[in-house]
Amino acid sequence: DIQMTQSPSSLSASVGDRVTITCRASQSVSRYLNWYQQKPGKAPKSLIYAASILQGGVPSRFIGSGSGTDFTLTISSLQPEDFATYYCQQSYDTPRTFGQGTKVEIK
Amino acid sequence: EEQLLESGGGLVQPGGSLRLSCGASGLTFSNYVMSWVRQAPGKGLEWVSHISATGLQTDYADSVKGRFIISRDNSKNTLYLQMNSLRGDDTAVYYCAKNGATWRAFDIWGPGTMVTVSS
Repeated sequence: DIQMTQSPSSLSASVGDRVTITCRASQSVSRYLNWYQQKPGKAPKSLIYAASILQGGVPSRFIGSGSGTDFTLTISSLQPEDFATYYCQQSYDTPRTFGQGTKVEIK
Repeated sequence: EEQLLESGGGLVQPGGSLRLSCGASGLTFSNYVMSWVRQAPGKGLEWVSHISATGLQTDYADSVKGRFIISRDNSKNTLYLQMNSLRGDDTAVYYCAKNGATWRAFDIWGPGTMVTVSS
């Protein structure tokens, strides 16, 4: 199975900050890397697929990059509605696997 | 608007069975691979199973293999998950999700249905 490791597990940031979350795969997943946002009590929402392509309606402050084993999600200017937990996930192979999540909290 | 809606969750005793359903609307259901993903209370996301567009191919997480069965009825735009021999660690919110055609991301999610396994 492909293991996905996110860092950090949590972070505190202020509105307007630039935030970076990293995701590392235990083997290459090419660009089959996706990012999701989840707010408490809600279903996850797809943000980015294929490592860097924004889903429709997702603000351009969300930026995905990387390929192979190392990936990054950057929020260029954190907004109040961005406080949530973020998950990476590989869709290269079965079983599909998720990172453990990164909780973005208000400083 | 593409929408998914799960149903069938509830409280069940260990060793019991439950069948979840997921109805789809606003999309050509028969074109897409569909998945079940679960989330135990306070924990992260875990992929459970997926099924091909035709229903002929299925895959399962090791944690549910031999106990859960995924199926679909394309004439009813509905996805199912038959859960047997349920255990306490199956307690979770169960989400159905549509897979994107090319990159296979879970691009549409239902709101989820809670399954609690307890005596």
